[in-house]
Amino acid sequence: EIVLTQSPGTLSLSPGERATLSCRSSQSVRSTSLAWYQQKPGQAPRLLIYGASSRATGISDRFSASGSGTDFTLTISRLEPEDFAVYYCQQYGSSPLTFGGGTKVEIK
Amino acid sequence: QVQLVESGGGVVQPGGSLRLSCAASEFIFSNYAMHWVRQAPGKGLEWVAFIRSDGSNIYYIDSVKGRFTISRDNSKNTLYLQMNTLRPEDTAVYYCAKDVSSWSAYYFDSWGQGTLVSVSS
Repeated sequence: EIVLTQSPGTLSLSPGERATLSCRSSQSVRSTSLAWYQQKPGQAPRLLIYGASSRATGISDRFSASGSGTDFTLTISRLEPEDFAVYYCQQYGSSPLTFGGGTKVEIK
Repeated sequence: QVQLVESGGGVVQPGGSLRLSCAASEFIFSNYAMHWVRQAPGKGLEWVAFIRSDGSNIYYIDSVKGRFTISRDNSKNTLYLQMNTLRPEDTAVYYCAKDVSSWSAYYFDSWGQGTLVSVSS
């Protein structure tokens, strides 16, 4: 089973600042099969990124992602108030599908 | 706009059973693989089960094998999760989630609002 480790656990930033979130895999993720989700309190997760770097439909270009192998990054260029949430990475290159533990982006 | 509406959650004693349903609409349900994903209170996301679009292939996380059964009725646009021999550690919000593929387990482009399952004596 692939274990995904997200860091930091919590990121305290101000609106307008840049957020950089990390997702590291215990094994190489096949074919950049990595997705990112955003979850706000009391809501279901929402797909942001698939294929390690492709934005899902309707996702702002403030969100960008990169990476391959075992190291992946999600960047939010300028934090808007609605971006404060928990972010999860998920790999789909190997069974079982697994998620990282999440990074909470909170208002400083 | 894809709609996924879960139901069937509730409070159940350890060893009990529940059947979750997920009613799908606004997309061709029979063309897509589906999943159940759960989230324990205050915790992260955990994938639970997968079913191919035609129901021909099914996978589970190890911790629910032999206890949970995923199924679907494409004529009713509904996904199910039969949960037997429930344990306290199964307590979570259960989400149904739509895959982008019909055939394989990839990622989830639509989610329901979730239904809470609480296993407690």
